[in-house]
Amino acid sequence: TQLLEQSPQFLSIQEGENLTVYCNSSSVFSSLQWYRQEPGEGPVLLVTVVTGGEVKKLKRLTFQFGDARKDSSLHITAAQPGDTGLYLCAGVSQGAQKLVFGQGTRLTINP
Amino acid sequence: DAGVIQSPRHEVTEMGQEVTLRCKPISGHNSLFWYRQTMMRGLELLIYFNNNVPIDDSGMPEDRFSAKMPNASFSTLKIQPSEPRDSAVYFCASSRWDRYEQYFGPGTRLTVT
Repeated sequence: TQLLEQSPQFLSIQEGENLTVYCNSSSVFSSLQWYRQEPGEGPVLLVTVVTGGEVKKLKRLTFQFGDARKDSSLHITAAQPGDTGLYLCAGVSQGAQKLVFGQGTRLTINP
Repeated sequence: DAGVIQSPRHEVTEMGQEVTLRCKPISGHNSLFWYRQTMMRGLELLIYFNNNVPIDDSGMPEDRFSAKMPNASFSTLKIQPSEPRDSAVYFCASSRWDRYEQYFGPGTRLTVT
């Protein structure tokens, strides 16, 4: 069974600080996605990374896929209260279609 | 364009009753996924369909759970009989068959008392 472990599970920081969330596995994934989920809503896709070592930026969010395609990180610069939510990483295995989700990182940005 | 539509948004029922959750995927998407989310277990895939055909139902917890997709624009997840441990938020998601990105509906919050 493939597992994705996210850390930390909970993170509460002040507005303006930087943070990094990690997503790790012992398995290789053909691609990895990051979603954000707000209370009462479904997860919303933020980014997909496919190539080992790939870095993608979405405004203040920077996503990186590990060289071996087993891990990923999400870095947020100058966090804002609007960044509050549950961040989920999800991996796709070679030749498969279904996603394997991590347990999520619940992020709270305090004004 | 309309996103994934789920109904009802909230369902409260008594133990032993039948529950039916409904989903309309995004038009043009031919893969559909049913998930269950709880605090303890996170987001779990229950079953998914390609072109209305069930491909993998290994996540369906018990025979009390069943899912159908009679056409490309409609799917149901049925629980019969329901139990308190089935209380969770159930999400439907859809995607194009050749893309990994999934688009989620708003979910159905099920409470079984």
